[in-house]
Amino acid sequence: GEDVEQSLFLSVREGDSSVINCTYTDSSSTYLYWYKQEPGAGLQLLTYIFSNMDMKQDQRLTVLLNKKDKHLSLRIADTQTGDSAIYFCAERKDSWGKLQFGAGTQVVVTP
Amino acid sequence: ETGVTQTPRHLVMGMTNKKSLKCEQHLGHNAMYWYKQSAKKPLELMFVYSLEERVENNSVPSRFSPECPNSSHLFLHLHTLQPEDSALYLCASSHALAGGDEQFFGPGTRLTVL
Repeated sequence: GEDVEQSLFLSVREGDSSVINCTYTDSSSTYLYWYKQEPGAGLQLLTYIFSNMDMKQDQRLTVLLNKKDKHLSLRIADTQTGDSAIYFCAERKDSWGKLQFGAGTQVVVTP
Repeated sequence: ETGVTQTPRHLVMGMTNKKSLKCEQHLGHNAMYWYKQSAKKPLELMFVYSLEERVENNSVPSRFSPECPNSSHLFLHLHTLQPEDSALYLCASSHALAGGDEQFFGPGTRLTVL
């Protein structure tokens, strides 16, 4: 497909793990990103993974990359209410840095 | 000021008005970007400037006119907009176009066209 695809909504209980999935378009994409957007704010880079890696862990965040299936996931361990936000995955399509974004997944953390 | 700032944060305009959005980055970056964010849709890249030269124009209607007078400032001039142009307009900057450089985003301008 032409679009980076994400599910639109995820509800998770506080303390549980969240998993946000993304399917990207271009097997030659070099970098894949996860951005977070809180209400009224711009996008904040959470983490990224280079295409020659399968996994990257950064504190509570774990990124898994399946290049064969062009599938990217973000796992947030011990989800907190402050993790409620919209999460965007993006792929870097060109050498000069053009990013193709998904539509975002709204994560709602309930007590 | 730090990071990427945008003014105004909110703007309401009529279809016959002319207005401008301003973006300023305080990070010493060389590349700047305009994105449009509409509800439930992916971010759309509108314009990219590198070292004050435009390198990408993603088939954006001429009613949107960008200007990059120096590497720290980026403007988006608006005239005769349509209601469907109502959206959040995000500015971003990065150190360079190449490599894995992170794009830093501003908080956006919420634009409503009546």
